[in-house]
Amino acid sequence: AQSVSQHNHHVILSEAASLELGCNYSYGGTVNLFWYVQYPGQHLQLLLKYFSGDPLVKGIKGFEAEFIKSKFSFNLRKPSVQWSDTAEYFCAVTNNAGNNRKLIWGLGTSLAVNP
Amino acid sequence: GAGVSQSPSNKVTEKGKDVELRCDPISGHTALYWYRQSLGQGLEFLIYFQGNSAPDKSGLPSDRFSAERTGGSVSTLTIQRTQQEDSAVYLCASSLPLVYEQYFGPGTRLTVT
Repeated sequence: AQSVSQHNHHVILSEAASLELGCNYSYGGTVNLFWYVQYPGQHLQLLLKYFSGDPLVKGIKGFEAEFIKSKFSFNLRKPSVQWSDTAEYFCAVTNNAGNNRKLIWGLGTSLAVNP
Repeated sequence: GAGVSQSPSNKVTEKGKDVELRCDPISGHTALYWYRQSLGQGLEFLIYFQGNSAPDKSGLPSDRFSAERTGGSVSTLTIQRTQQEDSAVYLCASSLPLVYEQYFGPGTRLTVT
């Protein structure tokens, strides 16, 4: 069965610090990978996605993630965080077998950025 | 345009009562998903609808849970004889067919007392 593991449950950073959130998945086939973000009081929204091609993907607000197939990883990075990045971050995976594109989720990482 | 909407935003119910949660997907999105976000469990897939096809109910945790989608648009998730472990945020998402990006609603926070 597919599963997603996020290594950091709670991260506290100061503004301008660099961020890396780990995400590993288990699935032997072709996968599509996502990072979603949930700002306080807001909906889940897509931060970035990887389907194929360049394994380094760029998303909104200066975030990027790198897909490393050999490590089954899709880590999220940002060189310099801002207070407004305080949010919950979720890694998710779906396969492209069949029509159901259900997302399998990690438990999330709560990021707090201190001004 | 309008996003995915869900109602109610909050629901408090007594154990043993039935509840209905509603989802209005984005217009034109034929794929609709329900997920549940529980404390300590993360987000779990519940059910998937695609057009007029039979839904994929493989994520429903028990036969107390059911869902329907009328006219290929609005969906209702029904939980019968609610239990305390049903307390969670229920999220609805929609997407275009065979497209991976899902758009989420604000969720319904269900509290079973």
